[in-house]
Amino acid sequence: GDSVTQMEGPVTLSEEAFLTINCTYTATGYPSLFWYVQYPGEGLQLLLKATKADDKGSNKGFEATYRKETTSFHLEKGSVQVSDSAVYFCALVNTNAGKSTFGDGTTLTVKP
Amino acid sequence: EAEVAQSPRYKITEKSQAVAFWCDPISGHATLYWYRQILGQGPELLVQFQDESVVDDSQLPKDRFSAERLKGVDSTLKIQPAELGDSAMYLCASSVRRGSSYEQYFGPGTRLTVT
Repeated sequence: GDSVTQMEGPVTLSEEAFLTINCTYTATGYPSLFWYVQYPGEGLQLLLKATKADDKGSNKGFEATYRKETTSFHLEKGSVQVSDSAVYFCALVNTNAGKSTFGDGTTLTVKP
Repeated sequence: EAEVAQSPRYKITEKSQAVAFWCDPISGHATLYWYRQILGQGPELLVQFQDESVVDDSQLPKDRFSAERLKGVDSTLKIQPAELGDSAMYLCASSVRRGSSYEQYFGPGTRLTVT
């Protein structure tokens, strides 16, 4: 079945540091890939997405590129802020079924 | 901006009691999902509706959980009887198909604590 593997956390960075959170997936067919962010006590917010190979999703300074050859969708940001502290989830959607399969999340803490 | 609504936001119940959660998806979204998120893990699909029909409930513990979406709009998830292991965040989402992809929108969730 479909699966998503994220790098284990927690990740602690200083403000303005470079961020990478690794995500790899296993899926049949050609899934769409997503990154979600979850702040304490809240639901999930869509951060960015990519629907086909070599697509780059971007939003709020975050980027991720759909790499079919390495089955990866790593999240990056050039300069993190304290307000980026949250839990980040990588997910895929099987386009036939429409349901999401999530990784276990990576907790990011950014210190001033 | 339209949002997925859920209530209640928090629920504390004793084990063996019944509990129900409500979800109102974004207007026009035919697909509705209920996910369970255990602390420290990613959400796991419990049930997926297409309009009023269940299309996937393979991970729903049917001996105690039930879900309905009678008119193809809002939905209710019920647990009876609740067990300690049911303590989790219950997330509702609705989706719209954009091209070849589904884009899901999540509600704020219901945090359930079973004592």
